Amino acid sequence: EVQLVESGGGLVQPGGSLRLSCAASGFTFSSYWMTWVRQAPGKGLEWVANIKQDGSEKEYVDSVKGRFTISRDNAKNSLYLQINSLRAEDTAMYYCVRWGDQKSSFGLWGQGTLVTVSS
Amino acid sequence: QSVLTQPPSVSGAPGQRVSISCTGSSSNIGAPFDVHWYQQLPGTAPKLLIYGNNNRPSGVPDRFSGSKSGTSASLAITGLQAEDEADYYCQSYDRSLRGSVFGGGTKLTVL
Repeated sequence: EVQLVESGGGLVQPGGSLRLSCAASGFTFSSYWMTWVRQAPGKGLEWVANIKQDGSEKEYVDSVKGRFTISRDNAKNSLYLQINSLRAEDTAMYYCVRWGDQKSSFGLWGQGTLVTVSS
Repeated sequence: QSVLTQPPSVSGAPGQRVSISCTGSSSNIGAPFDVHWYQQLPGTAPKLLIYGNNNRPSGVPDRFSGSKSGTSASLAITGLQAEDEADYYCQSYDRSLRGSVFGGGTKLTVL
């Protein structure tokens, strides 16, 4: 089955860190750019970061630059997001997304993992 | 404040037609980068609904259609059904921001 399964979310204190993981299956993971998109409770979607097929190019939304790091392990069909210096405004559902399907759309989404930043 | 502007809500009766607008700028939709639309049913992850401005992935009913002109795009839904009640998001790429951008989302209510 073609799917993305996220894990690693949880409750963390402000200033803390988390590492989110995404396990891909059912498709050739190494052929796709991959993306993280987040959604704060009751809010809209926000693109967070992209990574190229071989990991050589990465892009981030300004609000997370210097705090978040996207990476991948093609041998393990896995995508990661290291999130440091967490703030309350980082509280959100984080979705792992396959990018570059038809005409560079986000064609496959995981079910999401919830990150809650609170003391 | 989202880079792409959508109306917060739209509504229509079963069987009717509704349209959702998505307004951008010369840095994204007008650049021109493609516009994609996503449907998010309550409590679920978003799903690709329209790609490349006006194309439907396999399995999406032809009641859904997209269009684009200049710096704006539109999603039309005809023959509204109760199951269409969801949040809808437009998405494109922004040259200045060097990243993907979303609209703020539109909540569709089927009366």
